[in-house]
Amino acid sequence: DIVMTQTPLSSPVTLGQPASISCRSSQSLVHSDGNTYLSWLQQRPGQPPRLLIYKISNRFSGVPDRFSGSGAGTDFTLKISRVEAEDVGVYYCTQATQFPWTFGQGTKVEIK
Amino acid sequence: QVQLVESGGGLVKPGGSLRLSCAASGFTFSDYYMSWIRQAPGKGLEWVSYISSSGSTIYYADSVKGRFTISRDNAKNSLYLQMNSLRAEDTAVYYCARLEQWPYWYFDLWGRGTLVTVSS
Repeated sequence: DIVMTQTPLSSPVTLGQPASISCRSSQSLVHSDGNTYLSWLQQRPGQPPRLLIYKISNRFSGVPDRFSGSGAGTDFTLKISRVEAEDVGVYYCTQATQFPWTFGQGTKVEIK
Repeated sequence: QVQLVESGGGLVKPGGSLRLSCAASGFTFSDYYMSWIRQAPGKGLEWVSYISSSGSTIYYADSVKGRFTISRDNAKNSLYLQMNSLRAEDTAVYYCARLEQWPYWYFDLWGRGTLVTVSS
């Protein structure tokens, strides 16, 4: 199975400041079809997860442009350019390159 | 309104069975692959199972293989998860999620989940 490792597990951030979350996979997420199926999800307190980013860097519909994704192969990053109060929650990376699909442990973003 | 609504959760004894349902509305259910994903209390997300739009292709996580069965009824716009031989470690909120398939493979719509508690 592909293991997804996120760092940090907790990220206290000042409002208006940037935040960055790293996600590393135990093997390359490049599929045989050439695509990299790495997504980022946000889970606000008491809510189901919500898609933010797909295929490394594509923002999903309605996602603010302060969220961006980057990376390749086994190393990926989610950045929030200026954290707002509504960004509090847990962020997960997930891969759909190989079954079983797997998730990172989650990174909790909170306001200092 | 585009939504997924899970039901069927509850308290069950170890070794018991439960059938979860997910009702889809606001979109053409038969066009989409679907998945079940669970989240143990206070823990992260775990993918459970996947079913293609026609139901012909199915995958399971090793942790549930042989005990859980995913199915769908496109005429009823519904997804199901039959859970047998339940264990304490199956206690979780179970989410159904819609999949945008190739060349995307992402979960773009989630239900609010239904809680399954396995305890004597």
